[in-house]
Amino acid sequence: SQTIHQWPATLVQPVGSPLSLECTVEGTSNPNLYWYRQAAGRGLQLLFYSVGIGQISSEVPQNLSASRPQDRQFILSSKKLLLSDSGFYLCASQTSGDYTDTQYFGPGTRLTVL
Amino acid sequence: KNQVEQSPQSLIILEGKNCTLQCNYTVSPFSNLRWYKQDTGRGPVSLTIMTFSENTKSNGRYTATLDADTKQSSLHITASQLSDSASYICVVSRFSGGYQKVTFGTGTKLQVIP
Repeated sequence: SQTIHQWPATLVQPVGSPLSLECTVEGTSNPNLYWYRQAAGRGLQLLFYSVGIGQISSEVPQNLSASRPQDRQFILSSKKLLLSDSGFYLCASQTSGDYTDTQYFGPGTRLTVL
Repeated sequence: KNQVEQSPQSLIILEGKNCTLQCNYTVSPFSNLRWYKQDTGRGPVSLTIMTFSENTKSNGRYTATLDADTKQSSLHITASQLSDSASYICVVSRFSGGYQKVTFGTGTKLQVIP
């Protein structure tokens, strides 16, 4: 099975500061990768997905961006954080081409913007 | 509109008792339905996955059912344990454009007490 690593585990940042969250994947090649945000008491919201290196699609407009510099590396960034960016960010990986395959989730990053 | 609704929002049961969680969805076209368990502050972990042709799937003390006609699913937990305390998330997928488009329910928070 796949193993998803995320760091940092927790982060407290002031409004207006930059952000970089990293996700790496082990145990698969050419996965579909996803960034989700989970606000308190809310369901997971898909932010970005990627089907390959350099291929990023955004699901919702926001001040966040994503990049995939390597096959198994997915990065979530922001130039200037907003209070509304606070939440629990999850990276997920899925074997590409198999629609029944499970999305494996990382441990998440708890982001608090003050 | 693609939606997944779960009930109840929260549930408290005594250790050793059984419980059933409900999931209703309007996602179309349907690809598959998963139940995830999410411990507090952790990423979701897959419990079961069912495609259109499957109407029941078990994983230890967890049994999921699916009625694709009524677009309902349930997760039954037998002989609950303290470690079952978590949020249980129903996720419905539709396959589009080379990747899964998933819709997450907001989850049922289960607390098992001694």
